[in-house]
Amino acid sequence: KQEVTQIPAALSVPEGENLVLNCSFTDSAIYNLQWFRQDPGKGLTSLLLIQSSQREQTSGRLNASLDKSSGRSTLYIAASQPGDSATYLCAAMDSNYQLIWGAGTKLIIKP
Amino acid sequence: NAGVTQTPEFQVLKTGQSMTLQCAQDMNHEYMSWYRQDPGMGLRLIHYSVGAGITDQGEVPNGYNVSRSTTEDFPLRLLSAAPSQTSVYFCASRPQALLQADTQYFGPGTRLTVL
Repeated sequence: KQEVTQIPAALSVPEGENLVLNCSFTDSAIYNLQWFRQDPGKGLTSLLLIQSSQREQTSGRLNASLDKSSGRSTLYIAASQPGDSATYLCAAMDSNYQLIWGAGTKLIIKP
Repeated sequence: NAGVTQTPEFQVLKTGQSMTLQCAQDMNHEYMSWYRQDPGMGLRLIHYSVGAGITDQGEVPNGYNVSRSTTEDFPLRLLSAAPSQTSVYFCASRPQALLQADTQYFGPGTRLTVL
């Protein structure tokens, strides 16, 4: 059974720093790996989707990588801003086309 | 486009009551799903649908029913509410059920408390 883990559960960094969020999964048979953002009391917004044949995807200051062999994905945020404060969730699409979710990393960017 | 809409935003029920959480999307998406989100846990799939008239169970289906009579609507019914169903419920949709390049679009959620 696929399990997705995000460590740490919470992270606080000063504004302007580059940072990396981690996501690990136990079964490498995935169709894609997705990163979402969730603001307090809100729904989830898709950030990046990496298909199983891809190694990375970029959008603005965000870069997500995927290493299926090691069961890991990372989300790199460059030049962090207070507006980046949110909970970041990763999800792996399994062989049944269902998303298996991590519990998220709560990110706080200090001004 | 309104995207994915959910009503109500907040709801308080007493144990044993029933209710329906509404979900609608105006993007003509084939796939729709319901998740629950509990503190410290990832989203868990309750039920999903790959098209009108087709539904299936997810990871935690007990105590919930769904139907998909139209492409747009996917209501979630709580049959007899229990305190363990206190949670935040999210509806999501994506264009196709079996395409790995499609991301999901989420509604704003329904915050349910069962006393």
